[in-house]
Amino acid sequence: EIVMTQSPATLSVSPGERATLSCRASQSVGSNLAWYQQKPGQAPRLLIYGASTRATGIPARFSGSGSGTEFTLTISRLQSEDFAIYYCQRYDNWPARTFGQGTKVEIK
Amino acid sequence: EVQLVESGGGLVQPGGSLRLSCAASGFTFSSYEMNWVRQAPGKGLEWVSYISSSGSAMSYTDSVQGRFTASRDNAKSSVFLEMNSLRAEDTAVYYCARIDFSGNAAFGYWGQGTLVTVSS
Repeated sequence: EIVMTQSPATLSVSPGERATLSCRASQSVGSNLAWYQQKPGQAPRLLIYGASTRATGIPARFSGSGSGTEFTLTISRLQSEDFAIYYCQRYDNWPARTFGQGTKVEIK
Repeated sequence: EVQLVESGGGLVQPGGSLRLSCAASGFTFSSYEMNWVRQAPGKGLEWVSYISSSGSAMSYTDSVQGRFTASRDNAKSSVFLEMNSLRAEDTAVYYCARIDFSGNAAFGYWGQGTLVTVSS
């Protein structure tokens, strides 16, 4: 079974700074990787699919990169509404999907 | 506008049963697979089940295999999750989710979730 590992567990960042989140797969998942944002009390929101394609309506400050086993979500200039938990998800194992354990982005 | 509205959650005793529903609108329901994803209190996301657009194929995560059953009624644009032999570890918010678009297996649409609490 392919395990998805996100790091760090918590990232403390000041507004306006860049945030870099990592997601690692124990085996290659190709580009079958998505990123989600979840705020307290809300459902997750799709940010990135195909490792690097922004979903509809997602601001350009969110970008995804990587393939195979190493993936990165970058938020170029953090805004107040970006403080949340971020999850990666593999879907090469469709119809099953597997989520990472999440990275919390908090205000420094 | 795509909308997914879950219902049916509540408090149930260990070993009990519950049926969740998800009412969909704003898209051609019969054209899309549907999924259930859960989130235990304070924990991360866990994919639970998949059902094909026709309802002829289902898949489940190992921990619910044999206890949960997904079904759908395309005429009523609804998907269901029948949960039996419930355990404390099934306590979670359950979301129904739709793929973003055909050919993209990421979940582009989510409901607001319904809370299931398994406790005596």
